[in-house]
Amino acid sequence: EDQVTQSPEALRLQEGESSSLNCSYTVSGLRGLFWYRQDPGKGPEFLFTLYSAGEEKEKERLKATLTKKESFLHITAPKPEDSATYLCAVKATSGYSTLTFGKGTMLLVSP
Amino acid sequence: DGGITQSPKYLFRKEGQNVTLSCEQNLNHDAMYWYRQDPGQGLRLIYYSQIVNDFQKGDIAEGYSVSREKKESFPLTVTSAQKNPTAFYLCASSRTALLGNTIYFGEGSWLTVV
Repeated sequence: EDQVTQSPEALRLQEGESSSLNCSYTVSGLRGLFWYRQDPGKGPEFLFTLYSAGEEKEKERLKATLTKKESFLHITAPKPEDSATYLCAVKATSGYSTLTFGKGTMLLVSP
Repeated sequence: DGGITQSPKYLFRKEGQNVTLSCEQNLNHDAMYWYRQDPGQGLRLIYYSQIVNDFQKGDIAEGYSVSREKKESFPLTVTSAQKNPTAFYLCASSRTALLGNTIYFGEGSWLTVV
């Protein structure tokens, strides 16, 4: 069974304090790992897709990396508007052609 | 603007009633999905459809039904058989159901049983 575990469950940072969110996964064969951002009461917003170990992608203050067992979402010098829940999901090479999600990390950035 | 539109945003249901959540997309995507989100849990797949007139059950399909009569529409009916329907429901779509395609989400619908 495919599994995705995100840590920490919640993270509080001061503005400008860089940190990383972790996504550990167990799948039969990884087709893609996805990061989404979700604001309260809204649908998830797509951020990144990573396909193979060693791959990295960046968008503004966010950088996602991938190994064979986990992915990290690095947040550099965060701002209060980066506050959101960050969701990690995997798509396996077998089973449904859809996503298995982790429970998310709730990030709060204080000014 | 292209996107996924869900309606209504908020819906209240009396016990024993069926309710239908609407999902429309103008992205020309073939595949559409319904997920359920509960506090402290990851998104869970209810149903998905890879093409018009075809759909498959996800992990938690019991108490739900769907139809896919048009490419752009994928309504979800929450039936009275669903024991705990209060949740946040998310509709999504992707260009195709092929494994590499990104899934995009609508803004969600809140369903509360009163």
